[in-house]
Amino acid sequence: GAGVSQSPSNKVTEKGKDVELRCDPISGHTALYWYRQSLGQGLEFLIYFQGNSAPDKSGLPSDRFSAERTGGSVSTLTIQRTQQEDSAVYLCASSLGPFVSGDADTQYFGPGTRLTVL
Amino acid sequence: AQKITQTQPGMFVQEKEAVTLDCTYDTSDPSYGLFWYKQPSSGEMIFLIYQGSYDQQNATEGRYSLNFQKARKSANLVISASQLGDSAMYFCAMREVYMDSSYKLIFGSGTRLLVRP
Repeated sequence: GAGVSQSPSNKVTEKGKDVELRCDPISGHTALYWYRQSLGQGLEFLIYFQGNSAPDKSGLPSDRFSAERTGGSVSTLTIQRTQQEDSAVYLCASSLGPFVSGDADTQYFGPGTRLTVL
Repeated sequence: AQKITQTQPGMFVQEKEAVTLDCTYDTSDPSYGLFWYKQPSSGEMIFLIYQGSYDQQNATEGRYSLNFQKARKSANLVISASQLGDSAMYFCAMREVYMDSSYKLIFGSGTRLLVRP
């Protein structure tokens, strides 16, 4: 079946602009995660959704970052007033959810969105 | 403190030989999962293998096996019969449960593997 998809694949924006990044999880996956990958910080967790609610937002670096998920499916990560340090690859992953055991809750990743803030 | 440590920033291996990528972890949670992902130059993260903290046997998946030493808190990835297509970045990751509300992955810094022909 189809994997996790993300759009756009690349986004170049000017400092101070707002950006929206989209993630379409694997059908039937109730859990959705956003991560950020940058040269200096490696792979960092941002936010976790179970259904439409976000029990863990602890990784969001500032209040300029927000995310929502609608219909238990598509998620949007919004970065307001972008800064140069926001430049990174934003990765989305989905999994069946926490109520399955072992490797059944493996997270599968999308191809990422490369964000460049000029 | 680092929760996941990968001490080998880069590794070389000759084609058709086996290679071990090291990973140590730190957790006080009795229930956790350990994952290895491969990230080729294309950037996608590809799931390779999983080991649960209560699993008695080491996980295997084709040419990949996980050398799980629970007492030493290590979960090394072994790739047998290396192929040129194995050249990539490899990440070790751990899933803990925080207050039953999050299943996020914590990643190591990665090991870049280069397979020589």
